[in-house]
This record gives sequence, structure tokens and C-alpha cells, in this order.
Amino acid sequence: DAKTTQPPSMDCAEGRAANLPCNHSTISGNEYVYWYRQIHSQGPQYIIHGLKNNETNEMASLIITEDRKSSTLILPHATLRDTAVYYCIAGRFNQFYFGTGTSLTVIP
Amino acid sequence: GAVVSQHPSRVICKSGTSVKIECRSLDFQATTMFWYRQFPKQSLMLMATSNEGSKATYEQGVEKDKFLINHASLTLSTLTVTSAHPEDSSFYICSARDLLAGGHSYNEQFFGPGTRLTVL
Repeated sequence: DAKTTQPPSMDCAEGRAANLPCNHSTISGNEYVYWYRQIHSQGPQYIIHGLKNNETNEMASLIITEDRKSSTLILPHATLRDTAVYYCIAGRFNQFYFGTGTSLTVIP
Repeated sequence: GAVVSQHPSRVICKSGTSVKIECRSLDFQATTMFWYRQFPKQSLMLMATSNEGSKATYEQGVEKDKFLINHASLTLSTLTVTSAHPEDSSFYICSARDLLAGGHSYNEQFFGPGTRLTVL
């Protein structure tokens, strides 16, 4: 699985968009980009995934660069409940190797 | 989305005892389940991949005789920490893949709520 690099922490004002970047420069052609988040002392929650095209669901949008070496998770209107550690994973379905993630704090 | 449960949610045991943690997929069948361990303020570390009806595959550095994994059915995998010691105290999390979702490579894993193990 490709290694991912994320900033260790970010702040975002409540109601504003949160843009979380992820670098996965060694991603291979058949590896997907997955995003999960973990609220303290809970199991990770699936957010979104993609291969090449940008994706959107009820939780977030995923923007993947054309060369697939990086991506950005966008939470369009952050709320206090979005405060969590966000993990970007580049890989296939069989094994997920978690990086250190980004600790997002949504500020009132 | 699919639901994965774990039991117990937290357990405290004495050093030298064995502890069993159950992971169940409640509304789907899972040929593959995964076990992770997470120490405080650290990321999740994959311990092993559990396949229904076959032996688990352990990650490098994980002792298979200490962490026994049994995946006896399409909805249940168990992790037994044998002869637990204080350094085994951690947050153990399982995940599962939905067999009937087609088995495509993009299938996400569904995670359980985790089990907090404290060894005294």
C-alpha cells in the first residue's frame, strides 16, 4: 500500500469548509484513496473513497489530482461534531495501513 | 451502512490471564475481518487479517501464538490475547468487508466500536 502524508493538525471555524490535504505520491494505478475519521475512543468511520474522479456524498467531497499523487477531503460546512482525527489511506481492499492522520478541531 | 459490533467494549484483567474479544458483522456477511491495535495518541496498527475458514495472516512483528484469531463463521471473528501483560493494554478494533457487495477492490471496511483492554 502507498504511504500517505497528512498535516498533523488543522483548525477550522464552525460553518466554514474544512479542506484536508493528503499526499500519496507512490500510489499505484489500482489503489484507491479512502478517507476515514475517528472520534476519540471510537472505531473509524468511513467517509468517502475514490480512484480517479472527484467524488461527493452526503458527508464530504473528495478531490483527487490528475496525477493521483495527492487528494483533498472537503467538509463543506464544518460543525463541532466534525472534530476528529481524519485518516487518508491509499490502497486496496485487503489491508489498510493507517498513517498518522490529521487532527481536525472545529472552533465555535 | 453495515454494522460491526465488538464485545466486550472494555475489559480489565490480571496479568497472565487470557482475554477473548468478539467481532461480529450484524447485517452482512464478511469473508474477511481485520484486527487492529491502537495505543494512546497513536494511529491504528494492523495486526492480522482473518479469513473465514482458514488461518489468519499476521503482520510482521505480531506474535501469532499470543494473539489467537479464529474466524469460524461469516459473521464472527474472535481475538484471544493469551497470557496478557500490562504492555498488551490497548484499544483493539476490528473491521470487516461485505462479501455480498461484490468483492471489488474498492470496497470499504466497516469498523467496530473497539475494545479497551487494561491489564493490571
